Amino acid sequence: GQQLNQSPQSMFIQEGEDVSMNCTSSSIFNTWLWYKQDPGEGPVLLIALYKAGELTSNGRLTAQFGITRKDSFLNISASIPSDVGIYFCAGDPSNYGGATNKLIFGTGTLLAVQP
Amino acid sequence: SQTIHQWPATLVQPVGSPLSLECTVEGTSNPNLYWYRQAAGRGLQLLFYSIGIDQISSEVPQNLSASRPQDRQFILSSKKLLLSDSGFYLCAWSAPMGATEAFFGQGTRLTVV
Repeated sequence: GQQLNQSPQSMFIQEGEDVSMNCTSSSIFNTWLWYKQDPGEGPVLLIALYKAGELTSNGRLTAQFGITRKDSFLNISASIPSDVGIYFCAGDPSNYGGATNKLIFGTGTLLAVQP
Repeated sequence: SQTIHQWPATLVQPVGSPLSLECTVEGTSNPNLYWYRQAAGRGLQLLFYSIGIDQISSEVPQNLSASRPQDRQFILSSKKLLLSDSGFYLCAWSAPMGATEAFFGQGTRLTVV
């Protein structure tokens, strides 16, 4: 099945550092979403992006919808221990401009924060 | 407000046994519904999605099937489980008229032994 390429695969950082991760696709997406998953639980939505070039913040999190509609990035500023988890990008692939009703996920970025 | 319920939370089943996982959504009508599987390697693989009753799209050929007998009920089934069916299964819903934000259930950890 189709998947989005997400990088890096994992990050090990010190508390207080900033984090950046990105997601790319070979095809155009209508929507980009960013999720966080804690162990043994379902992913939780962090940020949703709907327009090319859109930049949206949610507290210490900032995400952008790439101009080409084929990529997105997520930044976390001043990381704290509770930021630990797996971060996923997700997108609704375009079907000649219309929605496909599918939601495709990236391969995930594992974030570890050392106090 | 909308809620999604998925059960059971954990399941251990022998190879060759049948499977039925259920997911229900409350507080919305005609949602898009999804089944994902997450293997130990972390990625979420879309298995099935549905835009309405009895309208199921399969993304990956496999040993599983899905059904949507009611508007807010989505069922994942298998007639005979394989070892490779082990994983973390997640149900999700999104608003109708195109996939936007999807909201997930708590997941079912399936171990086939």
